[in-house]
Amino acid sequence: DAGVTQSPTHLIKTRGQQVTLRCSPKSGHDTVSWYQQALGQGPQFIFQYYEEEERQRGNFPDRFSGHQFPNYSSELNVNALLLGDSALYLCASSLIGQGNTGELFFGEGSRLTVL
Amino acid sequence: GDSVTQMEGPVTLSEEAFLTINCTYTATGYPSLFWYVQYPGEGLQLLLKATKADDKGSNKGFEATYRKETTSFHLEKGSVQVSDSAVYFCALSDVGDDKIIFGKGTRLHILP
Repeated sequence: DAGVTQSPTHLIKTRGQQVTLRCSPKSGHDTVSWYQQALGQGPQFIFQYYEEEERQRGNFPDRFSGHQFPNYSSELNVNALLLGDSALYLCASSLIGQGNTGELFFGEGSRLTVL
Repeated sequence: GDSVTQMEGPVTLSEEAFLTINCTYTATGYPSLFWYVQYPGEGLQLLLKATKADDKGSNKGFEATYRKETTSFHLEKGSVQVSDSAVYFCALSDVGDDKIIFGKGTRLHILP
């Protein structure tokens, strides 16, 4: 049973560019959350998607947007990249309502470097 | 807002030593508390959890007790192994909230 898979694993962009990161949730999961983990920091919640809708959002600007597809996979888009967007982006899947139980399954992340 | 503070690392111990990683939290409600672990080359995974005061979470020889009076959730293990080398994150989730709030993480090195 495949766990959470993310792509690409590494990428380099320049300031002002746009990036799309992809996530396939664990089989049977219907909810996807995205987190940003800067170097030496803990993950910070960006947003959560369920039934193709953004269900909850953290304190991130509108440059960060997402999408969930009917097969539950998800994309994270970041526009007008800044140097400070350099981080490891983590995708976590779960069943709806289980976030509070901590039962999230995380991917290994996509490491974004902005030059 | 809600937050988690954990001891800074890195923490370096010899195999079979006793481990404590301190964690305190601030929350407006009655959160659930977690410890996550990130092994090299792997995704974050839930290590243990506690959902109410005085609950003890345990897994793989690790334990943590939800102390409401001191707003703490310290991680302990009686005898660490080299394979325990990883980054450990204390975290919380407030009632009715799906997002997890993480501490900054503590890197643990175990020497053989």
